[in-house]
Amino acid sequence: DSGVTQTPKHLITATGQRVTLRCSPRSGDLSVYWYQQSLDQGLQFLIQYYNGEERAKGNILERFSAQQFPDLHSELNLSSLELGDSALYFCASRGQSGGYTFGSGTRLTVV
Amino acid sequence: DQQVKQNSPSLSVQEGRISILNCDYTNSMFDYFLWYKKYPAEGPTFLISISSIKDKNEDGRFTVFLNKSAKHLSLHIVPSQPGDSAVYFCAAKAPPQGSGNTPLVFGKGTRLSVIA
Repeated sequence: DSGVTQTPKHLITATGQRVTLRCSPRSGDLSVYWYQQSLDQGLQFLIQYYNGEERAKGNILERFSAQQFPDLHSELNLSSLELGDSALYFCASRGQSGGYTFGSGTRLTVV
Repeated sequence: DQQVKQNSPSLSVQEGRISILNCDYTNSMFDYFLWYKKYPAEGPTFLISISSIKDKNEDGRFTVFLNKSAKHLSLHIVPSQPGDSAVYFCAAKAPPQGSGNTPLVFGKGTRLSVIA
């Protein structure tokens, strides 16, 4: 167990729908990063939060949004889902030591 | 445009031999490099890293070499073991900018198979 918890582990939904992925960082870690891994692709950075504030944005679609709550958990909202959004979504937290710890991911399948 | 490239999608090595995984990068601002290992149904786990002020870092069976002039790094695993079979991702990071910490930029990964 890495200490970073992602739920759900698997999600199957239809095109056009909206889903929410949840991430709880390691205890004490203030930074949360979201990454998307599509088939045969590396991990693509989506967005970063630090202590509730958005700090960096990567290749995140306008249909996607995220937030980090006061208890430091983060949610990634994906709306108007398309087949191409099917991917593994990873959350990572980063602590004071600078190390990045990844959760086990959420596998999203859009049908 | 891929800033971090792992040109070999897969590598097969016999147990006990050396595994060499390669990674090239294009962004000269990168100053910190990491290797992650990923098993199926798990998230990437940190393996080893190197700062741009060094050209080698060693941790047990794992050694990372950095050639800044060639913008190339490699991961050596000696001796390779069947449990090393996984996907290995190279990642790079630029220094923090302003109030934001720059994210890790990943390659597409190399699938290593160690054959007993």
